[in-house]
Amino acid sequence: DGGITQSPKYLFRKEGQNVTLSCEQNLNHDAMYWYRQDPGQGLRLIYYSQIVNDFQKGDIAEGYSVSREKKESFPLTVTSAQKNPTAFYLCASAHGTSGANVLTFGAGSRLTVL
Amino acid sequence: AQSVTQLDSQVPVFEEAPVELRCNYSSSVSVYLFWYVQYPNQGLQLLLKYLSGSTLVESINGFEAEFNKSQTSFHLRKPSVHISDTAEYFCAVSDWIQGAQKLVFGQGTRLTINP
Repeated sequence: DGGITQSPKYLFRKEGQNVTLSCEQNLNHDAMYWYRQDPGQGLRLIYYSQIVNDFQKGDIAEGYSVSREKKESFPLTVTSAQKNPTAFYLCASAHGTSGANVLTFGAGSRLTVL
Repeated sequence: AQSVTQLDSQVPVFEEAPVELRCNYSSSVSVYLFWYVQYPNQGLQLLLKYLSGSTLVESINGFEAEFNKSQTSFHLRKPSVHISDTAEYFCAVSDWIQGAQKLVFGQGTRLTINP
């Protein structure tokens, strides 16, 4: 079945450490997105990519980095510069070049900083 | 700039009662509106969408939403809820801006169904 796979599902990190969250899709979608979810704040866009080797900052990119070397993969690195990294992270993808595209979401990765 | 306001953070209702989850948006360009649902510890799933045409859109599990341009609203309704509808619901507005799709979400409404 086609879909988006995020790993790990749960991750614990000590302060000062970088951590990378994996996102892989087999839907042949061009666009991929990373959102951060905090209670009561909805979803906020971190980074997005419309094509391979190109990506743009979203609304809260500070302290995060991404790469898009393959169409199927869009890993997110949470760096030590991110002041409050504990959150639920969601990866999504979409096909097409329109504001009407439906996003397909992964199951999420929950990061806790100890 | 686009924005979405979900007016209720939590909505408790009894099973088989009707429910309305409210959503207001602002957008200076063409409007595409979505409702997504999130079950505990999962990602989001599309519930329904308004792109154009009929202002009343329906989902396969009995939810419906009405696009009201004059009131800039896209409220979600269901005439009779079930325990399985317990979830968090997100309203979102979307557009194509500078070569990319930009989806802006509301804060979410947690729907709790009591037996």
